[in-house]
Amino acid sequence: GQSLEQPSEVTAVEGAIVQINCTYQTSGFYGLSWYQQHDGGAPTFLSYNGLDGLEETGRFSSFLSRSDSYGYLLLQELQMKDSASYFCAVRPIYNFNKFYFGSGTKLNVKP
Amino acid sequence: SAVISQKPSRDICQRGTSLTIQCQVDSQVTMMFWYRQQPGQSLTLIATANQGSEATYESGFVIDKFPISRPNLTFSTLTVSNMSPEDSSIYLCSVEAGASTEAFFGQGTRLTVV
Repeated sequence: GQSLEQPSEVTAVEGAIVQINCTYQTSGFYGLSWYQQHDGGAPTFLSYNGLDGLEETGRFSSFLSRSDSYGYLLLQELQMKDSASYFCAVRPIYNFNKFYFGSGTKLNVKP
Repeated sequence: SAVISQKPSRDICQRGTSLTIQCQVDSQVTMMFWYRQQPGQSLTLIATANQGSEATYESGFVIDKFPISRPNLTFSTLTVSNMSPEDSSIYLCSVEAGASTEAFFGQGTRLTVV
């Protein structure tokens, strides 16, 4: 089965850097993805780590360590519009076509 | 990428009734997925819908309660049957476009059962 745990809520100020962690227990997966969801909106894709290491996409970076069963999303130069919920997700090896989502982290960015 | 149109965007329904949610994709996709998201919670996969075969349901979800149709490669419906207030939630359809590692979502249907 899949279990992906995230902190429920994180608060940071504009311009700061914040790291959202995702620790998982899974029988095997192809990669770790991150999604952003604003209140009332649909989840949108942010980043994907197929291999261990750091992936950078603009202000957002994501990291995966399979040996530590751990990944994180790093948001730099925080903006008010980054206030949203963030979910990690995996695609299990036993069923590549499914996504399983983490518990979600609500990020509050304050002025 | 894929653009998904989902409707209705919201509805308020009486308990005991049923609601059918429609999901239209702008390209042909093999699999479509239906999720439930309760307020402030994560996304829970309800079922996977393939064209031409019965949907595959996750543990805790059954066909009698959540019948799914998939008549072609661009369209699917999810029905929430015999609704109770516990079914109040956001329902989302999703697809994966080709070999992409990315999932695309409809805007969701916010269902309130009274």
